[in-house]
Amino acid sequence: DAKTTQPNSMESNEEEPVHLPCNHSTISGTDYIHWYRQLPSQGPEYVIHGLTSNVNNRMASLAIAEDRKSSTLILHRATLRDAAVYYCIPASAGGTSYGKLTFGQGTILTVHP
Amino acid sequence: DSGVTQTPKHLITATGQRVTLRCSPRSGDLSVYWYQQSLDQGLQFLIQYYNGEERAKGNILERFSAQQFPDLHSELNLSSLELGDSALYFCASSVGQVAGYTFGSGTRLTVV
Repeated sequence: DAKTTQPNSMESNEEEPVHLPCNHSTISGTDYIHWYRQLPSQGPEYVIHGLTSNVNNRMASLAIAEDRKSSTLILHRATLRDAAVYYCIPASAGGTSYGKLTFGQGTILTVHP
Repeated sequence: DSGVTQTPKHLITATGQRVTLRCSPRSGDLSVYWYQQSLDQGLQFLIQYYNGEERAKGNILERFSAQQFPDLHSELNLSSLELGDSALYFCASSVGQVAGYTFGSGTRLTVV
């Protein structure tokens, strides 16, 4: 499994953009980059994933570096509901891993009113 | 409601006992994954099933076993329980590999 490095914690103010970085320098060429978040007392929630190109959905945007060794999750306007632990996860597309997600420690995002 | 149903939500049992956790995946999802989350270990992948077949194994103890039935629901069996098995157990499902996972709300197991 590819190793990831994320800040232990980040803080933001409500309605401001948040950029959550992730380094995954050992990522393989076929690994997708997934982002999940986990709100207190809930199961993890899918946020976004991508392979090479930048991706957008209703929740967030994912910016992937050209060499794929890092990525940034962008929350365009943080809300109090976005306070959670955010996980960056490279995931294999096949082989014995067959898409299993290996969660690291993640980044604890605090959003201030 | 995420569409993934886990029962029971809470379970308290004694050491040495055996319990079964149940997961119903989201309609149409063929893959089921089990995860364990404890305070000191974070989210640990246990095992994956795809359309009834075991596809990947993680740090699952020999005392634990799982299966996926023809109707695609899955059960995680935990036996000879120890205090250290106390944790949140999550089930997730997906259409196939690499697709977005949908997690259930978990079963909180307390071993006393």
